[in-house]
Amino acid sequence: DTAVSQTPKYLVTQMGNDKSIKCEQNLGHDTMYWYKQDSKKFLKIMFSYNNKELIINETVPNRFSPKSPDKAHLNLHINSLELGDSAVYFCASSPTPTANTEAFFGQGTRLTVV
Amino acid sequence: AQSVTQPDIHITVSEGASLELRCNYSYGATPYLFWYVQSPGQGLQLLLKYFSGDTLVQGIKGFEAEFKRSQSSFNLRKPSVHWSDAAEYFCAVGVQGAQKLVFGQGTRLTINP
Repeated sequence: DTAVSQTPKYLVTQMGNDKSIKCEQNLGHDTMYWYKQDSKKFLKIMFSYNNKELIINETVPNRFSPKSPDKAHLNLHINSLELGDSAVYFCASSPTPTANTEAFFGQGTRLTVV
Repeated sequence: AQSVTQPDIHITVSEGASLELRCNYSYGATPYLFWYVQSPGQGLQLLLKYFSGDTLVQGIKGFEAEFKRSQSSFNLRKPSVHWSDAAEYFCAVGVQGAQKLVFGQGTRLTINP
């Protein structure tokens, strides 16, 4: 069983479209995250949820809207996609939202906006 | 602001050779430090972590790292690399209060046969 799973793995779409990426974790963790990895492999946190509540929002454009229907799921919806949104998006989870906790990552979703 | 610097963007070593990947951090408090590895097309996997205590920590796959507070460093080492170690390696600091990981820019490791 995959601990943190994301779908889809690849996503190619045109500018202006709206798309969603889904994430599920079966580890029983309370905290889930979205990270963005740009073309230079730089990883930066976007959002963090703890027990379905938003706790981190790192100055991400409001075209990005995370939703956590329950603590095992954290989806990312992106409106009006732009070329600069092309990146690999990683979902992650951890037992607690503390800085000394290991994060478990999904395999990533490679988003290409054309 | 917290930051992590990995000075080497790309390192090439021969199979069987020793390896050291450098990581320097900037953080005001006691850092929580991590090394993650990303194989091609995969997510990140934790290699090892340092929170407190013994400054030499052992991880998976034969890796170890040493925390040196005086140098603000947390370098990753392996005595003898294998071709399967070719990957991207990320150093990260856990930011207390902000409850997030701040990553370095990564070091790509290539192994020559």
